[in-house]
Amino acid sequence: KQEVTQIPAALSVPEGENLVLNCSFTDSAIYNLQWFRQDPGKGLTSLLLIQSSQREQTSGRLNASLDKSSGRSTLYIAASQPGDSATYLCAVRKFSSGSARQLTFGSGTQLTVLP
Amino acid sequence: SQTIHQWPATLVQPVGSPLSLECTVEGTSNPNLYWYRQAAGRGLQLLFYSVGIGQISSEVPQNLSASRPQDRQFILSSKKLLLSDSGFYLCAWSTRGAYTEAFFGQGTRLTVV
Repeated sequence: KQEVTQIPAALSVPEGENLVLNCSFTDSAIYNLQWFRQDPGKGLTSLLLIQSSQREQTSGRLNASLDKSSGRSTLYIAASQPGDSATYLCAVRKFSSGSARQLTFGSGTQLTVLP
Repeated sequence: SQTIHQWPATLVQPVGSPLSLECTVEGTSNPNLYWYRQAAGRGLQLLFYSVGIGQISSEVPQNLSASRPQDRQFILSSKKLLLSDSGFYLCAWSTRGAYTEAFFGQGTRLTVV
C-alpha cells in the first residue's frame, strides 16, 4: 500500500527565506507526483507535476525535484513571500490495474511566511 | 480552457437529512472524475471515481453514493446524513491516461448538526 509522508507538518519562516518542503513515498512504482497548494477553506491548486521519468520541474519561484528510486520529492520555494502562506500537499499517482489511477496524498505542510 | 465547478460552497444539514453535492467540468470530454473528503488534520481520502457515464467505483464503504448522469457531471449523495459525514468534500477531474494531471474544485464544507 502506498503511503505518502510530508515533513515538517508545519513551518514558519521570515519573508525572503528560501525553503524546502519534503515528501516521501513508500512505493516507487508511480506514474507521476504532483504538488498542490491549499489556502484555508479552499480547494487544491496544482503547482507542479513531475512525471516519473523526470528529475525536476520549475515554475517561477518554485522548483520540485523527484528521486523515484529513493521515494523522495522536494519542493523548493525561493525568496518566500507572505502570500506563499498556505498548506502544501504532495500526491503520487500509483501504478494500478484500473483505468483510473488514483492519487495518494500526504497530510501536507502548513507554511507560514512572516512579514 | 478547462474549469471545474462545485456547489454549494458551504452546507449545514441536520442528521438524517438527504445530501446532494454537484460537480461539473467544462472544456473537456470523457474526463475521469473523483470525489475526495478531507477531514480536519488529515489527508485527502478518495471516496469515489468514475471513468464514464454510469460507471462508479467506490473506494471506501460509507453512507454516501455517487452518480454520473452526464459525461461532465458528478454527484455525491446520501439518503440520511450522519454526524461523521461532516467534512470538506472536493471534486476533481483528470484526463484519461496514466501520466495525467489532476485538477480540483473549490470544495464544499459540509457540517452535519
